[in-house]
Amino acid sequence: AQSVTQPDIHITVSEGASLELRCNYSYGATPYLFWYVQSPGQGLQLLLKYFSGDTLVQGIKGFEAEFKRSQSSFNLRKPSVHWSDAAEYFCAVASPEGGGNKLTFGTGTQLKVEL
Amino acid sequence: DGGITQSPKYLFRKEGQNVTLSCEQNLNHDAMYWYRQDPGQGLRLIYYSQIVNDFQKGDIAEGYSVSREKKESFPLTVTSAQKNPTAFYLCATLGVRDVSYGYTFGSGTRLTVV
Repeated sequence: AQSVTQPDIHITVSEGASLELRCNYSYGATPYLFWYVQSPGQGLQLLLKYFSGDTLVQGIKGFEAEFKRSQSSFNLRKPSVHWSDAAEYFCAVASPEGGGNKLTFGTGTQLKVEL
Repeated sequence: DGGITQSPKYLFRKEGQNVTLSCEQNLNHDAMYWYRQDPGQGLRLIYYSQIVNDFQKGDIAEGYSVSREKKESFPLTVTSAQKNPTAFYLCATLGVRDVSYGYTFGSGTRLTVV
């Protein structure tokens, strides 16, 4: 069964500092990988996704993520964090080869930005 | 605008009551999903439906029921058998008909037991 691990429950960074949120996945085939962001009481907004090809993917709001098959990782990065980036971030993996295209989420990382 | 509408935004349930959460989409997507979100646990899959008149249990289906009579609608009923229903519920659809394979999420319903 597919699974996602986000080892950091909370992260605090200063505004302007760089950010890296970790994500490790377990999936037997080539995964479809996603990063979502959620503000309190809201739905999920897609930041970026990886299906195949170039392992460094660019997303919205200046975010990028790198797929590393050897490490089963899909870490999210941003060179300079803005106060408005404070939110909860979820990594997710989908199973397109069967199983109903179910999307499995990590437990999330809460990002706090200090001014 | 194409999208997903979840209603109501807030819902209060008394002990022993069944309540139904609405999810309507105009994206023409075949697959629809219900997730439950609790603090520190991420999102967990309750039920999903790949086509009309068909649905499957997810990881935490006990105490919930669904129907899929129309492509546009996938209501979730939280029954009295669900012992801890207070949570944030999110509905999603999946579009796979073009290169933009992706999930779209509604804005959620917050259910509270009173």
